[in-house]
Amino acid sequence: SQQGEEDPQALSIQEGENATMNCSYKTSINNLQWYRQNSGRGLVHLILIRSNEREKHSGRLRVTLDTSKKSSSLLITASRAADTASYFCATDAGATNKLIFGTGTLLAVQP
Amino acid sequence: ETGVTQSPTHLIKTRGQQVTLRCSSQSGHNTVSWYQQALGQGPQFIFQYYREEENGRGNFPPRFSGLQFPNYSSELNVNALELDDSALYLCASWGEDYGYTFGSGTRLTVV
Repeated sequence: SQQGEEDPQALSIQEGENATMNCSYKTSINNLQWYRQNSGRGLVHLILIRSNEREKHSGRLRVTLDTSKKSSSLLITASRAADTASYFCATDAGATNKLIFGTGTLLAVQP
Repeated sequence: ETGVTQSPTHLIKTRGQQVTLRCSSQSGHNTVSWYQQALGQGPQFIFQYYREEENGRGNFPPRFSGLQFPNYSSELNVNALELDDSALYLCASWGEDYGYTFGSGTRLTVV
């Protein structure tokens, strides 16, 4: 079963706009990670935020984590057509580093 | 470019057959995990191996089995294939330095 839900399921924006995706999860976590997937291929690791962190930046990416609400958001600023992909959040909750993925957000950036 | 290699890229099998999928992990990564991703869904954890021993398993039946070898390669075996086994199968290795690295996946179609 999936750990969490992502919202929205699909998002279409123009190049240059910002894209925000949200993720909710159910159990306590060690960390939360965001991944990108192009056309059903492999997952690319974007960013990891630990449970004691509230915000993290990496290039055009900004991730927030609210453990009291069990939610996270991913902001992509100044989007590009190449950002078109599916984005997944994944939580790492146990000692075995098993990841539990959300349902994903399909982002389409129109040139 | 990912340090995790999966083969084959695509595979078509008949219901009832058996299949072996292969993964070559990054050197030094002692932990390898396998995930199943059905179309339009997030990846789901199948099992994980650490130093050639299974140390975590998701909600998958025993006909899903695996092996990990000393040279950082691993296999996922599925017996008695069912139509619902059609999916993208992802291998991921975990290391202290970077966390998870995913392969590009094997697309299995069961007809």
